[in-house]
Amino acid sequence: DIQMTQSPSSLSASVGDRVTITCRASQSISRSLNWYQQRPGKAPKVLIYAASNLQSGVPSRFSGSGSGTDFTLTISSLQPEDFATYYCQQTYTTPYTFGQGTKLEIK
Amino acid sequence: EVQLVESGGGLVQPGRSLRLSCAASGFTFDDYAVHWVRQAPGKGLEWVSGINWNSGSIVYADSVKGRFTISRDNAKNSLYLQMNSLRAEDTALYYCAKILGWSGGYFDLWGRGTLVTVSS
Repeated sequence: DIQMTQSPSSLSASVGDRVTITCRASQSISRSLNWYQQRPGKAPKVLIYAASNLQSGVPSRFSGSGSGTDFTLTISSLQPEDFATYYCQQTYTTPYTFGQGTKLEIK
Repeated sequence: EVQLVESGGGLVQPGRSLRLSCAASGFTFDDYAVHWVRQAPGKGLEWVSGINWNSGSIVYADSVKGRFTISRDNAKNSLYLQMNSLRAEDTALYYCAKILGWSGGYFDLWGRGTLVTVSS
């Protein structure tokens, strides 16, 4: 199975900050990497698909990059609604593994 | 409205069975593969199982293989998960999710989840 490792596991930041979350795959997954946001008590919501494609309706302050084994999610200027948990997921091959999550908290 | 609605969760004893359902509406259900993803209380997301549009391709996580069976009924716009020999570690919120594509795809629509608690 492909292991997905996110860092950091948690992060404290302020409104307006630029934040980067990284995700590393245990083997190459090309660009088959998605990012999801999950707010407390809610279902996950896709932000970025295929490493760098912004899902329709998602604010442009979110961006993704990477290929192969190393990927990043960047939020250019944090807004209050962005404080949530973020997950990466590979869909290169089953099982479609998720990273352990990054909890983004208000400083 | 485009949505997925899960049902069938509840409290069940270890070793017993439960069948989850997911009702789809607002889109052409049989055009898409659908999956189950679960989340144990306070934990991260775990992919469980997936089925393609015509049930010709079915995949499972090792943690549920041989105990869980995924199926769909396109005439009823519904997805199912038959869970047998349940264990305490199966306790989780179970989401159904629609995927755009298969390999290389992404989950673009999720339900709100149904809670399964396995306890004596």
